Amino acid sequence: AQSVTQLGSHVSVSEGALVLLRCNYSSSVPPYLFWYVQYPNQGLQLLLKYTTGATLVKGINGFEAEFKKSETSFHLTKPSAHMSDAAEYFCAVRPFYNQGGKLIFGQGTELSVKP
Amino acid sequence: ETGVTQTPRHLVMGMTNKKSLKCEQHLGHNAMYWYKQSAKKPLELMFVYSLEERVENNSVPSRFSPECPNSSHLFLHLHTLQPEDSALYLCASSQEIGPSGTDTQYFGPGTRLTVL
Repeated sequence: AQSVTQLGSHVSVSEGALVLLRCNYSSSVPPYLFWYVQYPNQGLQLLLKYTTGATLVKGINGFEAEFKKSETSFHLTKPSAHMSDAAEYFCAVRPFYNQGGKLIFGQGTELSVKP
Repeated sequence: ETGVTQTPRHLVMGMTNKKSLKCEQHLGHNAMYWYKQSAKKPLELMFVYSLEERVENNSVPSRFSPECPNSSHLFLHLHTLQPEDSALYLCASSQEIGPSGTDTQYFGPGTRLTVL
């Protein structure tokens, strides 16, 4: 069965510092990959996604992620953290051959940003 | 209203009550989803509907009963729930559920359910 692992349930950075949130997936065939963000008391908002083509994907709010097939990873980065980036971040995969639209989510990483 | 809306935002119910959660999408999408988000656990897919037909039931107990009367509305009927069913229930929609990878899911704000 496919799975998604997010390393670190909580990450804390200082404002202006690099943000790195890690995501690894298990799949013999590269799936479609997503990062979602969830602010308190809100639903999930899509940050970015990888389907095919360029492996470096740019998303909203200055975030980007790079798909590395050899490492089965899809880490999320942002060069300079802002206080408004504090939220929970979820990595998700959709198996390439899945017909039912099923997304498999990681357990989430809570990002804190210190002033 | 835009995007995906859910009502109510908060619900407290006893184990013998019957209640319903409502989701409405204003995006013209053909697929809708129910997810359960429990503390410290990954989101769990519960049901998927495509063009008002259920295409996936992810081994959900029968005390949860979905209904999709049209492509814009999705309900989750609840009865005889257990305290462990307390969670945030999220609705999502997407244009399609095909394998193209373009079926990005858009989420509503969720209903926070507490079962006493």
